[in-house]
Amino acid sequence: EIVLTQSPATLSLSPGERATLPCRASQSISNYLAWYQQKPGQAPRLLIHDASNRATGIPARFSGSGSGTDFTLTISSLEPEDFAVYYCQQRSIWPLTFGGGTKVEIK
Amino acid sequence: EVQLVESGGGLVQSGGSLRLSCAASGFTFSSYWMHWVRQGPGKGLVWVSVIKSDEGDTSYADSVKGRFTISRDNAKSTMYLQMNSLRAEDTAVYYCARGAYRSGPKGTLDYWGQGILVTVSS
Repeated sequence: EIVLTQSPATLSLSPGERATLPCRASQSISNYLAWYQQKPGQAPRLLIHDASNRATGIPARFSGSGSGTDFTLTISSLEPEDFAVYYCQQRSIWPLTFGGGTKVEIK
Repeated sequence: EVQLVESGGGLVQSGGSLRLSCAASGFTFSSYWMHWVRQGPGKGLVWVSVIKSDEGDTSYADSVKGRFTISRDNAKSTMYLQMNSLRAEDTAVYYCARGAYRSGPKGTLDYWGQGILVTVSS
């Protein structure tokens, strides 16, 4: 099973700051990585698929990069609605697995 | 507009059974692989099961294999998860999610339902 490690578990930032969220895979997963955003009491929302492709309707301030084992989600300038939990997910090897999540909180 | 609506959750005793439903609308349901994902209280996301678009191939997480059965009725645009021999550790919010078009069984999950709570009491 592929283990996805998201560290730190919490990022404390201010609106307008840049957020950099890493995700590391226990073995190479090519570019088969997605990022999701989840707000309290809501379902996850797809942000990025295949490492760097924004999903439909996702603002340009969200970007993804990486391949192999190291990936990054970047939010160029945090808006108030971006404070949430972010999960990475791999679809390279069964079973599909998710990272433990990074919470982006207001500093 | 794509919509996925789960139902059938609730409180059940350990060892009991429950069947979840996921009603889909706003897209051609029969063209997409569909998944179940769960999230324990205060925990992260865990993939549970997937079913092929044509009601054929299925796959399960080891933790539920032999206890849960995924199925679908394309005529009703509905997916199901029959959960038997439930355990306390199955307590979670269960989400249905659509696999991205033509991405096969290991797809990105591009739309999610709002989730339904299943509580297993010991």
